Amino acid sequence: DGGITQSPKYLFRKEGQNVTLSCEQNLNHDAMYWYRQDPGQGLRLIYYSQIVNDFQKGDIAEGYSVSREKKESFPLTVTSAQKNPTAFYLCASSGQGNYEQYFGPGTRLTVT
Amino acid sequence: DAKTTQPTSMDCAEGRAANLPCNHSTISGNEYVYWYRQIHSQGPQYIIHGLKNNETNEMASLIITEDRKSSTLILPHATLRDTAVYYCIVRVATESNDQLIWGAGTKLIIKP
Repeated sequence: DGGITQSPKYLFRKEGQNVTLSCEQNLNHDAMYWYRQDPGQGLRLIYYSQIVNDFQKGDIAEGYSVSREKKESFPLTVTSAQKNPTAFYLCASSGQGNYEQYFGPGTRLTVT
Repeated sequence: DAKTTQPTSMDCAEGRAANLPCNHSTISGNEYVYWYRQIHSQGPQYIIHGLKNNETNEMASLIITEDRKSSTLILPHATLRDTAVYYCIVRVATESNDQLIWGAGTKLIIKP
C-alpha cells in the first residue's frame, strides 16, 4: 500500500536532548512537509522541501532542523534549542502541482 | 496568521446535510480555498478545494460566493464517522513560497 509512515507514534525525551522524528513516503512525491500541532490549534508549518537536497523554513523553524537526502525520506530533528517541543508532529507529502497533501499518522512528542 | 475564520463548533443530526461556513474576506484572486478534516489524533484528510467555481466530489460540495469572501462546505448526508475537526484553508503560493495557512477549524459533531 502506498502512503506515509511516521515513527514512532509516541516519543518521550528528557529536556536538553535532541530527538529525530522519522517520515517516509512511497508515493513518489517530490514535496514533503513538517507541521506542528498544539492542543486545540491548527497546523503550523516547520519546514518543507520541494525537491531532494533542498528545503525551506516555514513559520516556526527555530529549534528544528531537517534533511532531504532521499526523495522518500524527510527526517525532522527537534533540538534542545526548541523552547516548547512537546507537541503533535505531522509529516505530509504532495505530488505534481501540490494540490493535495497526504498526511502521516503523526508522532506525539513529550519532553519532560 | 490564518486567513480564514470558522465557527468553533457545530452540531448536525445524522442523515442531514452538514453546512460548514468559512470566511476568507482577505483572500487574493489567485489563492485557492482548501478543506481538510482531522479525526481525533490522526493526520488530516483532504476533502476538496476550489478557486472560483463550485466544486463537488464523492465526499462533499464546496460553494464559493461570487466575491470569494466566503465559502461553505456541504456534507450531503452526514454520518457519525463524519465527526471531526474541519479546516478551511487558504493556499498561498508565490514564486518563493507555497503553503497552506491553517486556522483552528470547526469541530463538527454528528448526533444520532
